[in-house]
Formats: sequence, structure tokens, C-alpha cells
Amino acid sequence: ETGVTQTPRHLVMGMTNKKSLKCEQHLGHNAMYWYKQSAKKPLELMFVYSLEERVENNSVPSRFSPECPNSSHLFLHLHTLQPEDSALYLCASSQDRTSGYNEQFFGPGTRLTVL
Amino acid sequence: AQKITQTQPGMFVQEKEAVTLDCTYDTSDQSYGLFWYKQPSSGEMIFLIYQGSYDEQNATEGRYSLNFQKARKSANLVISASQLGDSAMYFCAIGQGGGGNKLTFGTGTQLKVEL
Repeated sequence: ETGVTQTPRHLVMGMTNKKSLKCEQHLGHNAMYWYKQSAKKPLELMFVYSLEERVENNSVPSRFSPECPNSSHLFLHLHTLQPEDSALYLCASSQDRTSGYNEQFFGPGTRLTVL
Repeated sequence: AQKITQTQPGMFVQEKEAVTLDCTYDTSDQSYGLFWYKQPSSGEMIFLIYQGSYDEQNATEGRYSLNFQKARKSANLVISASQLGDSAMYFCAIGQGGGGNKLTFGTGTQLKVEL
């Protein structure tokens, strides 16, 4: 596997289900991100982990719970979701540097539908 | 707070022609980075080009160039010699500081390349 992988690619769940999205990066990066992409809206940054510590939580509802057990893996645990949470969830990684720029490499996303 | 505005929801271009995708930004930071990403229908975001706020020369990457006009707060993407494979959504983004750890995206421009 190369780059950033995400599983599953598609997920349909009921409002009472609990599920998890998985992201894995094979790039040796030290930062990982979760984004939400809804139709006709800009990408919204949800969570940022740098060196496995959460450094950013953009006021995301508690029904979304991230987990970063190591620098290569990132999870998004979902429970009691609402239909408006249906979206494409993108994972990204980057190498945080003290100078220069950090382009983020994205996975293919998980298309989530909440019924 | 940072903001990206992309005013062209859709653009058409003939194959082999050049096209300019507009992006204006708003930020109170002195140091920032500007990014362009491409998102094909498969969903994955692909990094194209970066411009730092202190870079005096416009960035270029192959057929992509960034027309950076700092005083006007614009960072337009120019694609030369368009190809059918360039058909995709294009997103402009701004990152805090020079690194771009936390990106704010625009709403995107859907580009269609025609024969």
C-alpha cells in the first residue's frame, strides 16, 4: 500500500449504529487530519493530530470521536449520527516542519450515508 | 480568521487551451501559504502547487502556475495546454503561518475540458 488509505470506502448506517472509519498513512508523516466534505460546502477541518497529540478540534460534535494510536493510524469513531452528517470524510497526512510548507496528502475518502 | 473565495462554480475550456481559475483570500496573518488541490470524481484530493506569502516569484509546477498578486490578495491557478484528464474540481486553500498545518478551503471550481 502506498500513500494514504481509508476504509471503508462507502458506509451506510442508521442513526443508532456505532461504526468507525479507519485511515492509514504509509508516508512516514507525523501529522494526520480528518476533514468533512458536504455537498456545495468547503472542506471543513475536523481534527488535527500532530505527533499523536490532538492539537485542533474545530468544535466538532461529540458524536464524532477521533483516535490516533500511532503516527500511521487515525480513526474516527461514530455514534448516534444525524442525517446531516452524511458526507465524504477525508483523511490526510503531512510532515510537520518548522520551516517550509507542509502539503497534505489525502486519502480517497469514505462516503458516509446516515439513514 | 482566514477565508478563501472562489467565484467560479464551473468553467469550460477547450483541450490544449489555457485556463485561469480564480482565488481570492482574506487573512490577517503576515505569513501564510496558498495551496491548490485537484479533486477528480474518485474523491481523492491531489496537491498541485504552493505559494508562500514571502515568495517573490510565482510558483510553477509543470503545466500549473500560480499567479500571485499579494496586494490584491489573489492567487489564481493557471493551467496551460489543458488535457481531458484535467476535468475535476479545483480547490484553493490557505494555511496559517508558512507551513499550512491548518488549511481553510474555498468552495471549489468544477473544470470541464472539452474536445
